[in-house]
Amino acid sequence: AQSVTQLDSQVPVFEEAPVELRCNYSSSVSVYLFWYVQYPNQGLQLLLKYLSGSTLVKGINGFEAEFNKSQTSFHLRKPSVHISDTAEYFCAVSAQGNKLVFGAGTILRVKS
Amino acid sequence: GAGVSQSPSNKVTEKGKDVELRCDPISGHTALYWYRQSLGQGLEFLIYFQGNSAPDKSGLPSDRFSAERTGGSVSTLTIQRTQQEDSAVYLCASSLLQGNNSPLHFGNGTRLTVT
Repeated sequence: AQSVTQLDSQVPVFEEAPVELRCNYSSSVSVYLFWYVQYPNQGLQLLLKYLSGSTLVKGINGFEAEFNKSQTSFHLRKPSVHISDTAEYFCAVSAQGNKLVFGAGTILRVKS
Repeated sequence: GAGVSQSPSNKVTEKGKDVELRCDPISGHTALYWYRQSLGQGLEFLIYFQGNSAPDKSGLPSDRFSAERTGGSVSTLTIQRTQQEDSAVYLCASSLLQGNNSPLHFGNGTRLTVT
């Protein structure tokens, strides 16, 4: 079975500062990895995904993530955040069938 | 085009009552999923449909929970004899194809409060 650990429940950061949201996973087989974002009072939307190929994946809104197989990590980064990036971010892993297993989420709070 | 639609957006019910939550997936999407989001708990998988059949219902927490899908489209999640611990946001998602690389499109959820 797969599992996902998001190491930080909340990350406060000032506007225009860089941010990294951490995600580690466990799986005995190859996985696909995803980051979803949930803005207040909205559903989740896909931010980016790693399926194969280049380990550095670029997503929407200037976010990127790097797949590190040896460290079983898929950390999300953005070099300069905006107030509008305030949201909850979920890391997810999929291996068997279509079932996505999600982490507990990280709330990113961008302060001016 | 239209996204995944869920109704109602909010539901308050008394303990012991039955509730039905509805999901209208994106037209043409063959796969449909139900997740439950509780405060601080992340998203908990409940059940997955491919067409009208449910190959994976391993996440349903108890026999009070059931779901069906008709016509390869609309799905209904039913919770019988609701308990306070059932209070959560119930999210529905659909995807175009079966397969690990087919992204999920989520609805805005139904917030269920059991009093």
